[in-house]
Amino acid sequence: NAGVTQTPKFQVLKTGQSMTLQCAQDMNHEYMSWYRQDPGMGLRLIHYSVGAGITDQGEVPNGYNVSRSTTEDFPLRLLSAAPSQTSVYFCASRGGGPDYEQYFGPGTRLTVT
Amino acid sequence: AQKITQTQPGMFVQEKEAVTLDCTYDTSDPSYGLFWYKQPSSGEMIFLIYQGSYDQQNATEGRYSLNFQKARKSANLVISASQLGDSAMYFCAMRGSGGGGADGLTFGKGTHLIIQP
Repeated sequence: NAGVTQTPKFQVLKTGQSMTLQCAQDMNHEYMSWYRQDPGMGLRLIHYSVGAGITDQGEVPNGYNVSRSTTEDFPLRLLSAAPSQTSVYFCASRGGGPDYEQYFGPGTRLTVT
Repeated sequence: AQKITQTQPGMFVQEKEAVTLDCTYDTSDPSYGLFWYKQPSSGEMIFLIYQGSYDQQNATEGRYSLNFQKARKSANLVISASQLGDSAMYFCAMRGSGGGGADGLTFGKGTHLIIQP
């Protein structure tokens, strides 16, 4: 199993550009989520999905869109990049009940200039 | 709303000593789970240990144990016999009961642990 994979690993965007961060998991997990990590802030939840076709907003959703057309994939779209979106982005997935651990991808380091 | 507080931004500990990393939480959920993750300088998030709010016993995983005091709303991580490889950021996190279909973890700001030889 590859676990949770994210592409790209690094990305530099100019203000106003759009892009999609890719996330895929091969563990047949129903639950997937996106987090951003800023220095001194810990990880904050952007969007999550509890199954294919079902998504919802987390703590910091503004400027981001998600969709979940398959169980495996959960892409995060930046609509019009801003310097405030410079961060490290983590995708995560988990199975079953509330006690199941989150499996994290390796992260994408995004810089917006 | 859920909140996790980690009051120790940084800690220096001598190798082989035990370490306690503090975590307090606040939630209105009747059922919840508490997690600890380790993030080394390479950046990946590594799951360490889980404690459910209704678990009768404190969780243990090898050198890691979770000192869960529900009445005080604390979930401190204890690392026994620290090693140089334990140097990393440590995050406490919480998941609620999933009411209303909600999911995802709420994280604290982390503690930067440095183990000195």
